[in-house]
Amino acid sequence: DVKVTQSSRYLVKRTGEKVFLECVQDMDHENMFWYRQDPGLGLRLIYFSYDVKMKEKGDIPEGYSVSREKKERFSLILESASTNQTSMYLCASYKETGANVLTFGAGSRLTVL
Amino acid sequence: QKEVEQDPGPLSVPEGAIVSLNCTYSNSAFQYFMWYRQYSRKGPELLMYTYSSGNKEDGRFTAQVDKSSKYISLFIRDSQPSDSATYLCAPLIQGAQKLVFGQGTRLTINP
Repeated sequence: DVKVTQSSRYLVKRTGEKVFLECVQDMDHENMFWYRQDPGLGLRLIYFSYDVKMKEKGDIPEGYSVSREKKERFSLILESASTNQTSMYLCASYKETGANVLTFGAGSRLTVL
Repeated sequence: QKEVEQDPGPLSVPEGAIVSLNCTYSNSAFQYFMWYRQYSRKGPELLMYTYSSGNKEDGRFTAQVDKSSKYISLFIRDSQPSDSATYLCAPLIQGAQKLVFGQGTRLTINP
């Protein structure tokens, strides 16, 4: 069974802390994504990567950075967490086909106090 | 104008009802029309998708696309409590790297 694994399901951090969210996929997918999901706002794309060491800004990249050193791993970094970054973070990946079907992880719920 | 508009609900119906979930979109270049289902405290999973216009049926679920009116629908027949979830539409241009999602409609089926 193909999988996208997000290492932390629930995190509580303080304002100003550096936060790492890790995502690993075992499907040899080229494309990986980080979304945040908030009530009333739906899924919003933060960053995506189509290859190792490549990254592209999504719709809301401010306050975030990413790292993709290996094909299977895509990390989201909050350099200095703020309360407005309290959210559900979802990692996803797909392999290039006609219909690029995303496989999502279970999500990481981050609370910034 | 948002690329995809979806009524966020919430929508609550009795078990056995026919449910209609809908989205509108603005980009006529969209070719694939995906529906994802997200259970509480889980990530979204692909439910089904169609290519171009027309209908596609999968068990109790029917996806319908009307490209002339830029309207996407998902119908659920004989709805069950296990169908309670958030449903997200996601139209896609072939070869595009980014997907766009509707806001998601939260559906509750009451026993």
